[in-house]
Amino acid sequence: DAMVIQNPRYQVTQFGKPVTLSCSQTLNHNVMYWYQQKSSQAPKLLFHYYDKDFNNEADTPDNFQSRRPNTSFCFLDIRSPGLGDTAMYLCATSRDYIINGYTFGSGTRLTVV
Amino acid sequence: GENVEQHPSTLSVQEGDSAVIKCTYSDSASNYFPWYKQELGKGPQLIIDIRSNVGEKKDQRIAVTLNKTAKHFSLHITETQPEDSAVYFCAASRDTGNQFYFGTGTSLTVIP
Repeated sequence: DAMVIQNPRYQVTQFGKPVTLSCSQTLNHNVMYWYQQKSSQAPKLLFHYYDKDFNNEADTPDNFQSRRPNTSFCFLDIRSPGLGDTAMYLCATSRDYIINGYTFGSGTRLTVV
Repeated sequence: GENVEQHPSTLSVQEGDSAVIKCTYSDSASNYFPWYKQELGKGPQLIIDIRSNVGEKKDQRIAVTLNKTAKHFSLHITETQPEDSAVYFCAASRDTGNQFYFGTGTSLTVIP
C-alpha cells in the first residue's frame, strides 16, 4: 500500500501558468519535505514542514510556495513556472528530525512548455 | 554545509558480478548515511543505511561500509541481477539534522 502519494504523476503546464502539486501521507509523520530533481541530478531540498512550521531553504526561489493544511496533506505551488522548473518533484516524509530515513512518494514529473 | 561526492556516475556489470559505488562526505559531524535506489519514473526507495557507530552493515546481497576517519562510505551489491538496474543515491546527514545531502547518483546497469 502506498504510504506517500503524489498527484498527479505527470503534469504539463504552460510557461507562467500557476500549478499545484499534491502530496498526501498515511504515516502520520511530523515532517514533510519537497525536493526538486532535475534530469540526471540529485534531489535538491526546496523546503519542509515540521508539523505546521514552515522551513524554507535559502536558495529556494520565491516562485515556489507550500501549504500544509493538515498532517496528511502538503502542496507545492509554483506561481509562475519557467522552463527551468521542468523537473521531477518529490515529496518525502519522516517521523521526526531524528533521521531514520525518508519515505518518498513516486514523484510528479512536471513539464513546463 | 555538507558536500557529498559519488562515483562512478555510470556503472555496467555482468549479471552475477559485484558492483561497488563509493561516496565521500565533507562534514565530520555527519553520522547517518542512507542509500536510495531509484527506478525509472519512481521515487527513491531506502535500501540500506548505516550510522557512524557501525563500520559495516549487510542485508542479503547488499552491504554498506563506512570509514569515518577517511569520511567515505560504499555500497556493495553482490550477485547482481537485472532488477538491480537503477540509479543509486548515497546521502549523508546529522542525526539531528533536518535534511539529507545527496550524492549525484550512479546509474547501474546489470547486463543479463
